Amino acid sequence: SQTIHQWPATLVQPVGSPLSLECTVEGTSNPNLYWYRQAAGRGLQLLFYSVGIGQISSEVPQNLSASRPQDRQFILSSKKLLLSDSGFYLCAWSFGDTQYFGPGTRLTVL
Amino acid sequence: EDKVVQSPLSLVVHEGDTVTLNCSYEVTNFRSLLWYKQEKKAPTFLFMLTSSGIEKKSGRLSSILDKKELFSILNITATQTGDSAIYLCAVDVNDYKLSFGAGTTVTVRA
Repeated sequence: SQTIHQWPATLVQPVGSPLSLECTVEGTSNPNLYWYRQAAGRGLQLLFYSVGIGQISSEVPQNLSASRPQDRQFILSSKKLLLSDSGFYLCAWSFGDTQYFGPGTRLTVL
Repeated sequence: EDKVVQSPLSLVVHEGDTVTLNCSYEVTNFRSLLWYKQEKKAPTFLFMLTSSGIEKKSGRLSSILDKKELFSILNITATQTGDSAIYLCAVDVNDYKLSFGAGTTVTVRA
């Protein structure tokens, strides 16, 4: 069966510091991969998606970037965090119409 | 721009009550509608609906889609405290994108 991992689970970072969140999927190959952000009391906002290695599409312009160095690895990065980057970051995978989510990373930028 | 609106935003019920959650949508390209349950962390998949008028059921949860009036409802009967969660509605608008509503927070009191 497929499993999706994210780390770290929680992160507290100062404004202006860099960010790297990692997501890996097991038990499937060539999945579509997604990064979402969920602000408090709001729905999920799609940030990036990837249909293959090295292929990244951005949905929302911002100071975040994503990379897919391997088939089942998806990384979310920033060179300099802003206060507004605080939120709950979710990685998801899909093979077909349904997306399945990882456990998420709670990021607090102070 | 795709729009998915959930109502109510939140509700509080007592154990044993029945809950009806609403999701209406206006999207450029409808493929399917999905319901997720989010407790502490990752949303977990509940239902995917593609055809009007066909009820999907899982235990005490059921959902139905009306593609003419552009909405779906999620029913929870005989609610239990474990049903307390955020319920998210999402519309699949293309191969890669789910548009999410803001969610309905359900609190079930013992």
